[in-house]
Amino acid sequence: SAVISQKPSRDICQRGTSLTIQCQVDSQVTMMFWYRQQPGQSLTLIATANQGSEATYESGFVIDKFPISRPNLTFSTLTVSNMSPEDSSIYLCSVDRIAGTQETQYFGPGTRLLVL
Amino acid sequence: AQKITQTQPGMFVQEKEAVTLDCTYDTSDPSYGLFWYKQPSSGEMIFLIYQGSYDQQNATEGRYSLNFQKARKSANLVISASQLGDSAMYFCAMREVMDSSYKLIFGSGTRLLVRP
Repeated sequence: SAVISQKPSRDICQRGTSLTIQCQVDSQVTMMFWYRQQPGQSLTLIATANQGSEATYESGFVIDKFPISRPNLTFSTLTVSNMSPEDSSIYLCSVDRIAGTQETQYFGPGTRLLVL
Repeated sequence: AQKITQTQPGMFVQEKEAVTLDCTYDTSDPSYGLFWYKQPSSGEMIFLIYQGSYDQQNATEGRYSLNFQKARKSANLVISASQLGDSAMYFCAMREVMDSSYKLIFGSGTRLLVRP
């Protein structure tokens, strides 16, 4: 399994401010993924982050709102900018891992964000 | 069009009994992967089991097994000998391949409650 840590685990923020979420993986990975889970909803991919290139954003998500950094193969950050209450969600980073013939995708513990 | 469908918003099961959580999918790609995750109230996404589209046998992991019926495009999760700790949300997901990357598309989830 992959060991993934995220900081902070939770935060309460005021609208209009920004929060940067960190994701650290225990070994090098090519792709890191950022997902959002709004209250009572399923997970939606925000963007894919490859080291050394710009992140690729899904429809409905833009770089100005969710800037992502990927400085090396074990670390990434997601910033939620100019927050509004609608940004209250769980944000999760994810990596894939192949062990033999078994593929899987692991998730970090998530960051619970509440915007007031 | 919804690509992953979980038709059971909530399920009850008696402790020590088996339970099946339904998942159907839609794709025209011959190569795909199907995942099941457990999300307890803590919010973390716990990987349970993976099934590749070319795998000849149904995947099993401990008390979890995946009833993969390719012609019907279904990938139901079977939990045997339910335990109280199995109470959680369960998400089915499909790996969708994009141009140079991939992403997981999630179903809406099933909330399982195990009764003592």
